Amino acid sequence: ILNVEQSPQSLHVQEGDSTNFTCSFPSSNFYALHWYRWETAKSPEALFVMTLNGDEKKKGRISATLNTKEGYSYLYIKGSQPEDSATYLCALPSNNAGNMLTFGGGTRLMVKP
Amino acid sequence: NAGVMQNPRHLVRRRGQEARLRCSPMKGHSHVYWYRQLPEEGLKFMVYLQKENIIDESGMPKERFSAEFPKEGPSILRIQQVVRGDSAAYFCASSPIQGSGQQYFGPGTRLTVT
Repeated sequence: ILNVEQSPQSLHVQEGDSTNFTCSFPSSNFYALHWYRWETAKSPEALFVMTLNGDEKKKGRISATLNTKEGYSYLYIKGSQPEDSATYLCALPSNNAGNMLTFGGGTRLMVKP
Repeated sequence: NAGVMQNPRHLVRRRGQEARLRCSPMKGHSHVYWYRQLPEEGLKFMVYLQKENIIDESGMPKERFSAEFPKEGPSILRIQQVVRGDSAAYFCASSPIQGSGQQYFGPGTRLTVT
């Protein structure tokens, strides 16, 4: 069973603050890492799929890095806005077929105006 | 391009009844995945299907749960003789290809068993 850990569980920041959180995973048998953004009552929205050690991806004010050797990925949000409030999930497939994503528990971000 | 559609969004069933949850994947996607979120827990994989085939059902409970993805029409997750412990949010995702690529999620069906 793949163990995917996310920290912190929740985070409260002020509008304009930059923030980051972590996804940790076993470094052996790595295939890919997915980041999702999940607003309450909506579908989880795909942010990034990362596959290579050292990968850096960026989408607007959100960016992510990947270290497969040490088994972690960071998600950064620059200049947080209230609309960034959501739960951020990371997920990894348990095999190369990519069928089954194992999700971390998520980081719930709340941005106060 | 419409996203992944799930219906109903909310479903209430009494203990012992059957629940049928539907998922229409994105256009052009032939791979469907079902996940479940129990109260206070994260998303957990249940089953992976391609058209007319169950590929991986390692996350499905052994009894009362079944899934299908027919040649025509939506994928169906069926729960027979529901119990209170089946109350959860059930999410469907689809992808155009097999592999470690992106899965696109629907809005979920929230099942409440009374």
